[in-house]
Amino acid sequence: QLQLQESGPGLVKPSETLSLTCTVSGGSINSSSYYWGWIRQPPGKGLEWIGSIYYGGSTYYNPSLKSRVTISVDTSKNQFSLKLSSVTAADTAVYYCASHYNQYYFDYWGQGTLVTVSS
Amino acid sequence: DIQMTQSPSTLSASVGDRVTITCRASQSINTWLAWYQQKPGKAPKLLIYKASSLESGVPSRFSGSGSGTEFTLTISSLQPDDFATYYCQQYKSYWTFGQGTKVEIK
Repeated sequence: QLQLQESGPGLVKPSETLSLTCTVSGGSINSSSYYWGWIRQPPGKGLEWIGSIYYGGSTYYNPSLKSRVTISVDTSKNQFSLKLSSVTAADTAVYYCASHYNQYYFDYWGQGTLVTVSS
Repeated sequence: DIQMTQSPSTLSASVGDRVTITCRASQSINTWLAWYQQKPGKAPKLLIYKASSLESGVPSRFSGSGSGTEFTLTISSLQPDDFATYYCQQYKSYWTFGQGTKVEIK
C-alpha cells in the first residue's frame, strides 16, 4: 500500500516561491500505473487540483495556476516536488500530495501540510 | 474546462436517514467520476470511482450512480461516522472537484 508524506516550510513570504516535496513509500514512483499529483485546500474551502506528473516527466497543470507552477520528479529518491512562484495570501492552504491510478482518481493521499503565506 | 457543481452545499440529516448528494458536470464525462469523504483535519478518502464502483473497504451503504452529466452519491442509512464533507471529482479532462457537500447532524 502506498504511503505519501509532504514536507517543506510551513511559512512563506509573499512574492517568494513555495516549495514542497512528497516522499513515496510502499511502492515505486517509477510505476507505469501511477501519476503523482498535488491538490490544495484553503482554510474552510474546497479542494483544488494544482498539477500532476508522470515518472517519465510528463506534466499537467491547472490552467489557472500554470504560469506559476512547476512539478518535478526525482526517481532516485522516490520523491516528487512542487514549486509555486510569486505567492500571495490567497495561496495559503493545506497542500496534499496524492497518487492517481492510471491518471484517474486519487487513491492514496498524504496527510497534508499547511503552508501560510505571510510576511 | 469542465466545471463540477454539487447540491446541496449543506445537508442536515439524522442517523438512519437515506441521504443523496448530486453532482453535475458542465459537459459529458461519461462515468469518469469519483466521490471522496473528508473529515476535519484529514485528507480526503476515496469512496467511489468510475461513478459506481465501490473502493475496497468502503461500507456497502455507500453507492454511486449516473453517467454523462448527472451523478448521485447515496448513503442508504446514515451512520455517526458518515458526518463529513463529500466531494465529487471528474477525471475525463484533467481533474476538477465539486465545491463539496457538508453532511451535518440534524
